[in-house]
Amino acid sequence: DIQMTQSPSSLSASVGDTVTITCRASQSISSYLNWYQQKPGKAPKLLIYAASSLQSGVPSRFSGSGSGTDFTLTISSLQPEDFATYYCQQSYSTPPTFGQGTRLEIK
Amino acid sequence: EVQLVESGGGLVQPGGSLRLSCAASGFTFSSYSMNWVRQAPGKGLEWVSYISSSSSTIYYADSVKGRFTISRDNAKNSLYLQMNSLRDEDTAVYYCARTRAHYSGSYYSFDYWGQGTLVTVSS
Repeated sequence: DIQMTQSPSSLSASVGDTVTITCRASQSISSYLNWYQQKPGKAPKLLIYAASSLQSGVPSRFSGSGSGTDFTLTISSLQPEDFATYYCQQSYSTPPTFGQGTRLEIK
Repeated sequence: EVQLVESGGGLVQPGGSLRLSCAASGFTFSSYSMNWVRQAPGKGLEWVSYISSSSSTIYYADSVKGRFTISRDNAKNSLYLQMNSLRDEDTAVYYCARTRAHYSGSYYSFDYWGQGTLVTVSS
């Protein structure tokens, strides 16, 4: 199975900041990488697919980049509703696997 | 509006069985492959199983293979997960999630998720 490792596991930031979350795959996955946002008690929400494509309805302050083994999710100009946990997920091979999550907290 | 509504969770003893259901609406259910994804309390997301639109292709995570069975009824717009020989480590919120194909099917993601149903395995 492909292992997905996110860093950091948690971070604190303020409204208006720009933050970057990193996801590393244990082998090359080309651009087969998705990002999800999950708020407490809620289902995950798709943000980014195919490493850099923005899901419909997702604000443009969210962006994704990377290919191969290293990927990033960048959130520009943080808004109060962005404080949540973020997961990366590879769709290169079965089983699809998720990173352990990055918890974004308000500073 | 796409909606996925899970049901069937609850408290079950180790070794017991449970059947989860996911009712779909707002889209042509028979055209989409579906998945079950679970999340243990305070933990991350774990994919459990996949079923293609026609049920011709099915996959399971190694952790549930031989114990869980995924199925669907396209006439009823419903997805199911039959869980047998349940273990403590199966305790989790179980989500059904729709597969969306992108770029002519070269890529996929889980674009819609239900609200989840909690399964607790405990004596």
